[in-house]
Amino acid sequence: DVKVTQSSRYLVKRTGEKVFLECVQDMDHENMFWYRQDPGLGLRLIYFSYDVKMKEKGDIPEGYSVSREKKERFSLILESASTNQTSMYLCASSLISGQGRSGYTFGSGTRLTVV
Amino acid sequence: DAKTTQPNSMESNEEEPVHLPCNHSTISGTDYIHWYRQLPSQGPEYVIHGLTSNVNNRMASLAIAEDRKSSTLILHRATLRDAAVYYCILSILGNLIFGKGTKLSVKP
Repeated sequence: DVKVTQSSRYLVKRTGEKVFLECVQDMDHENMFWYRQDPGLGLRLIYFSYDVKMKEKGDIPEGYSVSREKKERFSLILESASTNQTSMYLCASSLISGQGRSGYTFGSGTRLTVV
Repeated sequence: DAKTTQPNSMESNEEEPVHLPCNHSTISGTDYIHWYRQLPSQGPEYVIHGLTSNVNNRMASLAIAEDRKSSTLILHRATLRDAAVYYCILSILGNLIFGKGTKLSVKP
């Protein structure tokens, strides 16, 4: 089975800190995604990547950046954490790009609290 | 704009079939229909997806209307472990855009 592993289950960070959320997948998937999930708002796409060193903005990229130096790893960076970035962050990967021909595998999520 | 419409919640009895509806009247010819479910405190889990034809797998069946403007996820025998939020999603340009989903409750 494909596994998507997020480095931390829970994180507490201070306002203004630079925060790194790491995601690793073990099945050579081309595509990787970062979502955040908030009550009443559902899952929203932050950034995605279809290849190494390639990134595309999703629906809510403000305040975030990403890095994909290796195929298996996709990092989400909060340049200067703010309290409105307190959320559940979910990483996902999928095999085939274009038109959603393959299913996504999600990690278990990182619950980030910014104080 | 999630582009899909689902009931907020549904109830089912254990061991009975469940039909979860989804409307997607603005679907384009190349959009795939995906279904995922999310149990409490977990990430979404892939259930099934399709383009035009009905699909079956070990978890569920997906019935797609001929005009593709609606679809139905069918759980053939609901169990307590199927209680979750079920998301019907169109894959737009390869990205999944989640809506609010349907919260399914299963009664023993």
